[in-house]
Amino acid sequence: QQPVQSPQAVILREGEDAVINCSSSKALYSVHWYRQKHGEAPVFLMILLKGGEQKGHDKISASFNEKKQQSSLYLTASQLSYSGTYFCGTRAGGTSYGKLTFGQGTILTVHP
Amino acid sequence: SAVISQKPSRDICQRGTSLTIQCQVDSQVTMMFWYRQQPGQSLTLIATANQGSEATYESGFVIDKFPISRPNLTFSTLTVSNLSPEDSSIYLCSVISGGGSYNEQFFGPGTRLTVL
Repeated sequence: QQPVQSPQAVILREGEDAVINCSSSKALYSVHWYRQKHGEAPVFLMILLKGGEQKGHDKISASFNEKKQQSSLYLTASQLSYSGTYFCGTRAGGTSYGKLTFGQGTILTVHP
Repeated sequence: SAVISQKPSRDICQRGTSLTIQCQVDSQVTMMFWYRQQPGQSLTLIATANQGSEATYESGFVIDKFPISRPNLTFSTLTVSNLSPEDSSIYLCSVISGGGSYNEQFFGPGTRLTVL
């Protein structure tokens, strides 16, 4: 089942902050965040594992609430380059090799 | 991270024909996937390409329409058969790389297919 992202779209001015949420009805092993710019492939940003480990972009932070099966991506002091569509991908079950199921995406637009 | 290339990058095909997309990875990977992204939509998994055995298809996708080959750990092909305009999408190859607990998943540049 597809995770649910919110909000569907965000419009910011440079320097403002944003939070994108991802919620799943399944018990998750990991949550993966990607950014996709128009006409390009999704680019890996971060991975968060159950148990608290995480790895990824040094200017973007995220959290994973295992009890609620929810993850949030925090974009602080946004830059024009942050514009794009953000997808969360969730890996269910107990394995690190399972398939990723993606949310519907959140469109982030940063204006000067 | 693995470097993934796809061929062709884009194509325009006639209804009823087929298109074969190639995915090449610069290192051996265990898991390789094929995704479809319809215009303005999210990423939908078509199948997991298994080396040496038949691909594992997701609900709504069948082998006759989307035959997949994976002859080794660095290469796979996806064929989209009997094309219709509804098949117009971006098709993306994706691999798991990294190892350990993380096993990050990366995407190739995609193949943009337009069916007339």
